[in-house]
Amino acid sequence: DAEITQSPRHKITETGRQVTLACHQTWNHNNMFWYRQDLGHGLRLIHYSYGVQDTNKGEVSDGYSVSRSNTEDLPLTLESAASSQTSVYFCASSSQGGLADTQYFGPGTRLTVL
Amino acid sequence: AQSVTQLDSQVPVFEEAPVELRCNYSSSVSVYLFWYVQYPNQGLQLLLKYLSGSTLVKGINGFEAEFNKSQTSFHLRKPSVHISDTAEYFCAVSSGGGYNKLIFGAGTRLAVHP
Repeated sequence: DAEITQSPRHKITETGRQVTLACHQTWNHNNMFWYRQDLGHGLRLIHYSYGVQDTNKGEVSDGYSVSRSNTEDLPLTLESAASSQTSVYFCASSSQGGLADTQYFGPGTRLTVL
Repeated sequence: AQSVTQLDSQVPVFEEAPVELRCNYSSSVSVYLFWYVQYPNQGLQLLLKYLSGSTLVKGINGFEAEFNKSQTSFHLRKPSVHISDTAEYFCAVSSGGGYNKLIFGAGTRLAVHP
């Protein structure tokens, strides 16, 4: 069955370190998204991609970067981790990119920055 | 700018009672509306979505939602809840300004008690 996976599921790191969170989908979807989930804020969009070599900033992109070298993967990099980036991170994908498309979510990565 | 307001952060309810989770949105253009559910320690999954046509939308697990354009609301209802419905519920809107980008509400935690 097609799925979307994230790794690691839990990560503890120190302030200033570079961290990369992996997202892999086997749906063959063109569109991939990264969100962070914080209490009282719901999910907020960090970056998104509509295809290979395409990346775009979301509403909370500062301190994060992504790259899309193939259809299946969209890794999220925290260039220099900060305590404010302690959060739960979700990756999602969708097929067509239309406004009505359903997004399919991964299980999440809980990141703690000490 | 679009926004989504979920009016209740927590809703406690007894098993087999009816429940309504409230969602209001703001947008100056046509919208597509979604309800997602997040069970403990899992990613989000789609409950239902409103695209057009009938204002009453039926979803999975016995949930339904009613789109009210004049009141800019999209409230989620279930006539009889089960313990297994305990989860966090997110309302989201997708419209204009870049296709398939979702704006989420802050979430409502539904706690079903025996």
